[in-house]
Amino acid sequence: AQRVTQPEKLLSVFKGAPVELKCNYSYSGSPELFWYVQYSRQRLQLLLRHISRESIKGFTADLNKGETSFHLKKPFAQEEDSAMYYCALSPASGGSYIPTFGRGTSLIVHP
Amino acid sequence: EAGVAQSPRYKIIEKRQSVAFWCNPISGHATLYWYQQILGQGPKLLIQFQNNGVVDDSQLPKDRFSAERLKGVDSTLKIQPAKLEDSAVYLCASSRGETSYEQYFGPGTRLTVT
Repeated sequence: AQRVTQPEKLLSVFKGAPVELKCNYSYSGSPELFWYVQYSRQRLQLLLRHISRESIKGFTADLNKGETSFHLKKPFAQEEDSAMYYCALSPASGGSYIPTFGRGTSLIVHP
Repeated sequence: EAGVAQSPRYKIIEKRQSVAFWCNPISGHATLYWYQQILGQGPKLLIQFQNNGVVDDSQLPKDRFSAERLKGVDSTLKIQPAKLEDSAVYLCASSRGETSYEQYFGPGTRLTVT
């Protein structure tokens, strides 16, 4: 069975501070990991995917298979980063993408 | 392009009543998903369609939930009869195909069962 754990329900930082949203996963096979974001009054949307290795809106995430983690990081938080962030895992079997989501972390960036 | 549409946006019903939700995916998207998001939790997949066929419904409580996508476009999700624990946001999402990783989500329907 696959499982995604986001240990923090809430993360509160000041503008300009570094941010790290934690995500740990449990899966016996080779997973694909994703981060989704939901801004206030907006729809849930994909932020980034570990395979693409991109930086989106200043955020990066590295898959650490040894620690089974996929933490989301940003060196300098902005107020517009305030949102709900969900980590998700999908089996990388070449078939369907069926994500299992974590419970989410609410990020609040204070001015 | 227009996004995923869902209706209604809000619904309040009493337990044991029935309710139906509607989803219109992005034009041309072959794959459609229904998720249940209970307050304080992440979305949980209920059912996945590829065109009008079911790919995965392993987490759909089939004694009370049903879903269909008859013409491979719009979809409806029904709960009959509803229980208090069904109170949640029901999200619909679509993607270009079964192997497309990017899902586009609708605004959701917030269901309250009293």
